[in-house]
Amino acid sequence: GAGVSQSPRYKVAKRGQDVALRCDPISGHVSLFWYQQALGQGPEFLTYFQNEAQLDKSGLPSDRFFAERPEGSVSTLKIQRTQQEDSAVYLCASRAAGGNTIYFGEGSWLTVV
Amino acid sequence: SQQGEEDPQALSIQEGENATMNCSYKTSINNLQWYRQNSGRGLVHLILIRSNEREKHSGRLRVTLDTSKKSSSLLITASRAADTASYFCATDPLSGGYNKLIFGAGTRLAVHP
Repeated sequence: GAGVSQSPRYKVAKRGQDVALRCDPISGHVSLFWYQQALGQGPEFLTYFQNEAQLDKSGLPSDRFFAERPEGSVSTLKIQRTQQEDSAVYLCASRAAGGNTIYFGEGSWLTVV
Repeated sequence: SQQGEEDPQALSIQEGENATMNCSYKTSINNLQWYRQNSGRGLVHLILIRSNEREKHSGRLRVTLDTSKKSSSLLITASRAADTASYFCATDPLSGGYNKLIFGAGTRLAVHP
């Protein structure tokens, strides 16, 4: 596609609910990143995929967070038993093989009430 | 944790004036990138400067990099109201692997007509 596409754009979840956020990277991009951005802060790294392999998940804040990219294209970030502190924008980004520039989607805004 | 620190946190100027934002970081880098984020939107890549470069230009943007001081600056000349946004520096650390970017907290720029 033309850019990184994320859905849903906005999600309100009740505390304790599970949520799934989808990312469609730029077609052919090998690398995929998930970032979390709290209000008024910069994005914080969550996890990285190269094709279908999750090579770095050091930024995932707890075992309630899980990401997958089973076929090396679309990725899903799942948050189980959401808590209020999970409220943030979740940004997905992708990068072409050999490239330096990382392209971001518009983000999924999660509010946990 | 964020590696980059932007200064100032907020900047308010009149249209036509120049805006300068500074970024300091902690560890050795491959490159440093600047991104813009309009309110409620995703991150837009502005410019990338490699560790062996000292200055780079792109339109009204001028970026400098001083690796001895671990700092960078972004200058926007002849600012416009449309430049109102948050600006983030992001570093690609030498030891980070996978070119994952580490962001600062950003500078919020307001340009008044």
